[in-house]
Amino acid sequence: AQTVTQSQPEMSVQEAETVTLSCTYDTSENNYYLFWYKQPPSRQMILVIRQEAYKQQNATENRFSVNFQKAAKSFSLKISDSQLGDTAMYFCAFMKPFTGNQFYFGTGTSLTVIP
Amino acid sequence: DSGVTQTPKHLITATGQRVTLRCSPRSGDLSVYWYQQSLDQGLQFLIQYYNGEERAKGNILERFSAQQFPDLHSELNLSSLELGDSALYFCASSVRDRGNTEAFFGQGTRLTVV
Repeated sequence: AQTVTQSQPEMSVQEAETVTLSCTYDTSENNYYLFWYKQPPSRQMILVIRQEAYKQQNATENRFSVNFQKAAKSFSLKISDSQLGDTAMYFCAFMKPFTGNQFYFGTGTSLTVIP
Repeated sequence: DSGVTQTPKHLITATGQRVTLRCSPRSGDLSVYWYQQSLDQGLQFLIQYYNGEERAKGNILERFSAQQFPDLHSELNLSSLELGDSALYFCASSVRDRGNTEAFFGQGTRLTVV
């Protein structure tokens, strides 16, 4: 079974600072995808960033980047220059594209950006 | 806007009742997934349909059922509701049944059982 663990239920960061959210996962698969989703108060699940396990290069999307450590099964999200609009729940998720396409989600980290 | 539409946005009902949640996938997407998000929890996979057929089942209770219609919209039926069924129910869609590299989520239906 796949499990995704987010060990930080809540975090806060000062506006314009950098914060890192942690995620670990457990799988015996070799081909998979990892995601970070943002859920603001509107409840919409918004894709922040995606990482393909077979790619060694860490994914980046503007102020968001990941540190993907495949051997350690670690997938952390770094948010640079934090903005008030980054305040949200952040979910780490795992997906196996070829053996069941469903997501496995962590329990989330509530991030608050402080002005 | 993800292109996935869920109705209703909010639903309040009493214990023992039955409700139906509706999802219209993105245009062109054949797969529909249902997820349940209870308080302070991540999303839990319930069930997947592809082009009208059930493809995968997760932690879905026997009191819950789903179907996907020829026009590809899907309905999640929840019966004999209990207080613990109060949650956000998300629908997501993707193009294929396998090999997808992303899915698109609706805004969810918040179900409150009183």
